[in-house]
Amino acid sequence: GAVVSQHPSWVICKSGTSVKIECRSLDFQATTMFWYRQFPKQSLMLMATSNEGSKATYEQGVEKDKFLINHASLTLSTLTVTSAHPEDSSFYICSALGTGTDTQYFGPGTRLTVL
Amino acid sequence: DAKTTQPPSMDCAEGRAANLPCNHSTISGNEYVYWYRQIHSQGPQYIIHGLKNNETNEMASLIITEDRKSSTLILPHATLRDTAVYYCIVRAPYTSGTYKYIFGTGTRLKVLA
Repeated sequence: GAVVSQHPSWVICKSGTSVKIECRSLDFQATTMFWYRQFPKQSLMLMATSNEGSKATYEQGVEKDKFLINHASLTLSTLTVTSAHPEDSSFYICSALGTGTDTQYFGPGTRLTVL
Repeated sequence: DAKTTQPPSMDCAEGRAANLPCNHSTISGNEYVYWYRQIHSQGPQYIIHGLKNNETNEMASLIITEDRKSSTLILPHATLRDTAVYYCIVRAPYTSGTYKYIFGTGTRLKVLA
């Protein structure tokens, strides 16, 4: 149980385009999901907290207009990187709170490369 | 800032126990200790968590000191597939208003054949 998927697993896009990443909880409902970013050889950094049916809460320094988060259902949250630039190239990882627990279960990650 | 301190790297012989320490001297009374690991280019995998008592599951054991200022993750019989970065995290309850996972730099465990 507690499986989280992400799609796509990797994506390459041109500078200036937008990219959408999906995060799904497959066997449980997640009222809260989280988005992290990880640069090479660094640790995970929390970008935002996503609650179903409400606006996401962004961490300090994360541009909400650049990283659009939508949590429209109890099993799906999306992260859209708008007007992507090479410095946005990173490993994006989502997690979901397990039902009835405070434990986060992580997706496999999405590697974004912006040319 | 991360609330935990871990050694940057450790080696362990295959088949031996791997003991990974974590210092969390500023832990609050309602904060849990969590362990995850991240194998290269994958998302973190949940291992185990605890509050005060020692815990054991099919993957590992967690030993928390009586003063809760440090803990040790034990992989009883390490295999090559246990090579990963191990993260120790402390977090408050979700209802506390201060719930957040803050990842430190972790310990890079290398299991040697």
